[in-house]
Amino acid sequence: QVHLVESGGGVAQPGGSLRLSCAASGFTFSTYAMHWVRQSPGKGLEWVALIRSDESDRYYADSVKGRFTISRDNSQNTLFLQMNSLRAEDTAVYYCARDLRKGAYGDLWGQGTLVAVSS
Amino acid sequence: EIVLTQSPGTLSLSPGERAILSCRASQSVSSRYLAWYQHKPGQAPRLLIYDASNRATGVPDRFSGSGSGTDFTLTISRLEPEDFAVYYCQQYGRSPLTWTFGQGTKVDI
Repeated sequence: QVHLVESGGGVAQPGGSLRLSCAASGFTFSTYAMHWVRQSPGKGLEWVALIRSDESDRYYADSVKGRFTISRDNSQNTLFLQMNSLRAEDTAVYYCARDLRKGAYGDLWGQGTLVAVSS
Repeated sequence: EIVLTQSPGTLSLSPGERAILSCRASQSVSSRYLAWYQHKPGQAPRLLIYDASNRATGVPDRFSGSGSGTDFTLTISRLEPEDFAVYYCQQYGRSPLTWTFGQGTKVDI
């Protein structure tokens, strides 16, 4: 059965850091591009970042560029999101998603991990 | 940047009724790169429709998508109890690569 399971969420102080993980199973992780998407409390979905299957390209939303880094370990079937210089507005549930095709859509999503940035 | 506006904000219907959800883009969506997702509280979002009208794997045929340019529609022909959820449209931009979501339509009883 195909699965994505996020972990690593928690409470961080403004200016702090967190590293999220997304463990993939049931499919050949190394052949898929992967995304991070977030949902702030009471709001809609916001795309965060994409990484190609071979790490050849990475793309970021303007709101996180320079602060967040997406990476992956294909040998461990795991996707990561390193979040630095956290702000209150980064508070959200963070989802990882498998890319369907050409970076256009997410066809498999995890259930998310909650990040709360507060002093 | 393309802005997606979904309407209505909330759709109150009963099982068995038809639901028609709208997604309007501020500029033409190239190559019909538009998707619809279903999202229930505490669950993973689910891809329903991609490329405006293609059903994703395993999606029942009561879900259909249509439209092009700036106007897109998701139709649920006969609501089942499990269809009550929030629905988002999403557009893919290639240069720069980005996704834009609408604000969502809640379908409730």
